[in-house]
Amino acid sequence: AQSVTQLGSHVSVSEGALVLLRCNYSSSVPPYLFWYVQYPNQGLQLLLKYTTGATLVKGINGFEAEFKKSETSFHLTKPSAHMSDAAEYFCAVSDPKSNKLIFGAGTRLAVHP
Amino acid sequence: KAGVTQTPRYLIKTRGQQVTLSCSPISGHRSVSWYQQTPGQGLQFLFEYFSETQRNKGNFPGRFSGRQFSNSRSEMNVSTLELGDSALYLCASSPYPPAYEQYFGPGTRLTVT
Repeated sequence: AQSVTQLGSHVSVSEGALVLLRCNYSSSVPPYLFWYVQYPNQGLQLLLKYTTGATLVKGINGFEAEFKKSETSFHLTKPSAHMSDAAEYFCAVSDPKSNKLIFGAGTRLAVHP
Repeated sequence: KAGVTQTPRYLIKTRGQQVTLSCSPISGHRSVSWYQQTPGQGLQFLFEYFSETQRNKGNFPGRFSGRQFSNSRSEMNVSTLELGDSALYLCASSPYPPAYEQYFGPGTRLTVT
């Protein structure tokens, strides 16, 4: 069975500071890993994904994540937070044979001036 | 390309009623998945359809059902609504399974009174 744990339901950073959102996964097969962002009253937008190959993946809006198999982690980072980054972020894992996404509980990011 | 569209965006129903939600995937996408999002349970997979066939099903009661048409549009139905069915229902489409990425619609906000 697959599962995702996101450490910290709420994260608050100052504008310009580093953003670090933590995600650990459990999977019995090589996973596909995703980060999605959700703004209020909207659906989910894909930030980035890891399937195979390079373990450091770059996404939209300056975000990146590194797949660390030994640590079963896929943490999301951004060097400098912007006010527009305030949203809820979801880490997800899927079985490579399936379209079924298993989501973490989400982390709400607040960015203050 | 137009994104995933869901109708209606908002819906209010009474306990015991049934409801049908609609999803139009991105043109050319043949796989449609449905998710339920609630504050308590988070994002949970309902089911996935590909080429008019249900490929995967989540752990939901039989009151939740779906179908996909030959043009890849999908509907989900919930019968005998309960208060706990109040949620944001999200539809996602991808070109084919297994998908490297899924594109989400804005969701249908269902309120059961």
